[in-house]
Amino acid sequence: KNEVEQSPQNLTAQEGEFITINCSYSVGISALHWLQQHPGGGIVSLFMLSSGKKKHGRLIATINIQEKHSSLHITASHPRDSAVYICAPRFGNEKLTFGTGTRLTIIP
Amino acid sequence: EPEVTQTPSHQVTQMGQEVILRCVPISNHLYFYWYRQILGQKVEFLVSFYNNEISEKSEIFDDQFSVERPDGSNFTLKIRSTKLEDSAMYFCASSGEQGAPFQPQHFGDGTRLSIL
Repeated sequence: KNEVEQSPQNLTAQEGEFITINCSYSVGISALHWLQQHPGGGIVSLFMLSSGKKKHGRLIATINIQEKHSSLHITASHPRDSAVYICAPRFGNEKLTFGTGTRLTIIP
Repeated sequence: EPEVTQTPSHQVTQMGQEVILRCVPISNHLYFYWYRQILGQKVEFLVSFYNNEISEKSEIFDDQFSVERPDGSNFTLKIRSTKLEDSAMYFCASSGEQGAPFQPQHFGDGTRLSIL
């Protein structure tokens, strides 16, 4: 069965802290998305990666295919980073399977 | 930057009525998707569409649901005889510039469907 687990479910941190969100999945994948969902509900795609590491601004995503694990890091966190972050692997076909998300709150 | 647009942003419908949710995917994308998110739950896949036909659908996507690409720009989700449990946020996504598979998916802002 294609399963996705994210941790932590909730994360509260002070502004400026380094943030790490983890994602594990059960079987091999073709790629993995990291997505951001704002309080209003809209979804923004942050990264799609199938190996190694990608960086965009203060966001870094890594994936270890052998370990079936991916991480999303945020450097110098800011209150505007507060959102739900979702890991969504693609298990060999086009559709995405979504994790339950990590609710991140950054306190000024 | 090109966007996926969804209309309406909020739809309120009486139980038993039909509803059509509309999406305009990014213009050079050829893969289209509908997902839904029931309040407080994770996002779930409904259906994917390519080359004018359904390429994959989930168990949720039963005979009550249908999708259509009526012209070169719109992609619609029709829900017949709506039920209370159809209340959710529905997201449209598109991918596949020039038909290339396994490209990043781009999401619309969603339509919040409320069934009364």
